[in-house]
Amino acid sequence: KAGVTQTPRYLIKTRGQQVTLSCSPISGHRSVSWYQQTPGQGLQFLFEYFSETQRNKGNFPGRFSGRQFSNSRSEMNVSTLELGDSALYLCASSLGDSDSGNTIYFGEGSWLTVV
Amino acid sequence: AQSVTQLDSHVSVSEGTPVLLRCNYSSSYSPSLFWYVQHPNKGLQLLLKYTSAATLVKGINGFEAEFKKSETSFHLTKPSAHMSDAAEYFCVVSPPSGGYNKLIFGAGTRLAVHP
Repeated sequence: KAGVTQTPRYLIKTRGQQVTLSCSPISGHRSVSWYQQTPGQGLQFLFEYFSETQRNKGNFPGRFSGRQFSNSRSEMNVSTLELGDSALYLCASSLGDSDSGNTIYFGEGSWLTVV
Repeated sequence: AQSVTQLDSHVSVSEGTPVLLRCNYSSSYSPSLFWYVQHPNKGLQLLLKYTSAATLVKGINGFEAEFKKSETSFHLTKPSAHMSDAAEYFCVVSPPSGGYNKLIFGAGTRLAVHP
């Protein structure tokens, strides 16, 4: 069974540009969530999607957005990139059928560098 | 609000000696608790999960953790460290309800294993 797949794995963008990251969850998983990992702030929750609907959201500015498709694949977008957006972006998936205690599986992440 | 505090940012042990990584949680209700491990330049791997069943939870690779409500702790242990255990470990809490897949991460403990 394939795990959570994220693309691209590495990318470099310029300040002011936008970026789209993609995530394919484990087959059968309907929930996809996104996290940002930086040395200074650690791991922070961005948002979670279930059946194409955003179900939960963290404390990030509106420049960070996401969506989920009918096949459960998800994308996140960051517009007007800032240097501080440089981070490892992790996607995670789960069955999502419980409102707590789901076993959540992570992908290997997309490394974004903003220059 | 839920939170977790990892009491040590760095732990260093010799190969073959026991490992103890400490975690305290804060929650108004009985939460779901997890330990994840992250090897360099990799995503997060679930070690074990507590969801109000047995208080002693066994995970992969010989790790286990004990949920102690009276001490609000969820410390991770392993009887004998292996070189391959060197990584960063995260104690994680999931809100008891309505939080879906919004995980709250501790700051992490970097484990070094010396020959």
